[in-house]
Amino acid sequence: DQQVKQNSPSLSVQEGRISILNCDYTNSMFDYFLWYKKYPAEGPTFLISISSIKDKNEDGRFTVFLNKSAKHLSLHIVPSQPGDSAVYFCAGGGSQGNLIFGKGTKLSVKP
Amino acid sequence: NAGVMQNPRHLVRRRGQEARLRCSPMKGHSHVYWYRQLPEEGLKFMVYLQKENIIDESGMPKERFSAEFPKEGPSILRIQQVVRGDSAAYFCASSQTVNTEAFFGQGTRLTVV
Repeated sequence: DQQVKQNSPSLSVQEGRISILNCDYTNSMFDYFLWYKKYPAEGPTFLISISSIKDKNEDGRFTVFLNKSAKHLSLHIVPSQPGDSAVYFCAGGGSQGNLIFGKGTKLSVKP
Repeated sequence: NAGVMQNPRHLVRRRGQEARLRCSPMKGHSHVYWYRQLPEEGLKFMVYLQKENIIDESGMPKERFSAEFPKEGPSILRIQQVVRGDSAAYFCASSQTVNTEAFFGQGTRLTVV
């Protein structure tokens, strides 16, 4: 039972262009969603979050959009930089405290 | 302000031995979470602890696995009688309160030979 799904295992984007990473969820009880970035052999690093009562949150080059009716969220990175190349995980959280993660999308930004 | 500290970074155990993984949360954080990542998989929740209490252990196998977060000292994830299938990266995260972002440690890579 996958409550959080990232259907694209990988994404390749040209430097300077926009990267769009997608995430779908089935659990309506999530209170908030987070995006984490992970480099090989390192722990995930928190990137940006969004409350379930919002539809957009922006932080510099990163914007997260939430469409509750579609149970879909997306992370936009613009402009993409080679240093953004990593695995991106979407996660849902609620009052229970633990996070439910998707399987991740590997982003490659080509110079 | 040190981040979440996990040790060891790498741990090799023979089948049947015990593995002990340690996690010191960020200063001021009393909520600790353990996750496991298998190759090509996302992070899977195992257990959530808050000082001396296990809040949710729904993701932890019923046998051989246990976790604690004592009043003093780090949180410990203990795996008894390890098997090859336990080989994975184990990540610990901590947060200040329940509904705030969790910060992750660098993980412990367990290899069972």
